[in-house]
Amino acid sequence: AQSVTQLDSQVPVFEEAPVELRCNYSSSVSVYLFWYVQYPNQGLQLLLKYLSGSTLVKGINGFEAEFNKSQTSFHLRKPSVHISDTAEYFCAVTLFTDKLIFGTGTRLQVFP
Amino acid sequence: SAVISQKPSRDICQRGTSLTIQCQVDSQVTMMFWYRQQPGQSLTLIATANQGSEATYESGFVIDKFPISRPNLTFSTLTVSNMSPEDSSIYLCSVGRGGALNYGYTFGSGTRLTVV
Repeated sequence: AQSVTQLDSQVPVFEEAPVELRCNYSSSVSVYLFWYVQYPNQGLQLLLKYLSGSTLVKGINGFEAEFNKSQTSFHLRKPSVHISDTAEYFCAVTLFTDKLIFGTGTRLQVFP
Repeated sequence: SAVISQKPSRDICQRGTSLTIQCQVDSQVTMMFWYRQQPGQSLTLIATANQGSEATYESGFVIDKFPISRPNLTFSTLTVSNMSPEDSSIYLCSVGRGGALNYGYTFGSGTRLTVV
């Protein structure tokens, strides 16, 4: 069975600094990977996804992620964060047309 | 992507009672899922709602506690039965279609349940 590990429960960062949120997965077969964001008291919003092709995936709000098969990672990055990026970020994995399995989440806190 | 209407958005319930949460989708979808998000935690899949057959439950979740209906391809309900304070969570429905991998699974806005 597939699983997802988010290595950092909290990531504090100053505004305009770069940030990386780490995600590792385990699976014996090829998987599809997602990053979702949850702003305070709101639902889940898809940031980006990796299905196939280019390993560098660009998403909304200036985020990008790189799929690394050898390291089984799918880290999320942003070169310059804003106060409004403060939120909970979830990495998720699925097999083809199957259920999504979520990581434990990383709380990104951006300070002025 | 699909648009999901989930209701109620929040409720406060007495222990021992039941609450039914509705999930309506604006298009036919193959798969519907129900998740629970306990306070400060990640999303845990409760079950997959199958149209025309019984739901498929994940380990730790049982039909008697979380009965699910899926009468057609656009609608599903989740009931939280005989509630206790430990059931206080956000419950979310999610849908995926044949194109789910292209559009990304879509989530409802959630039902914030408080059991007192």
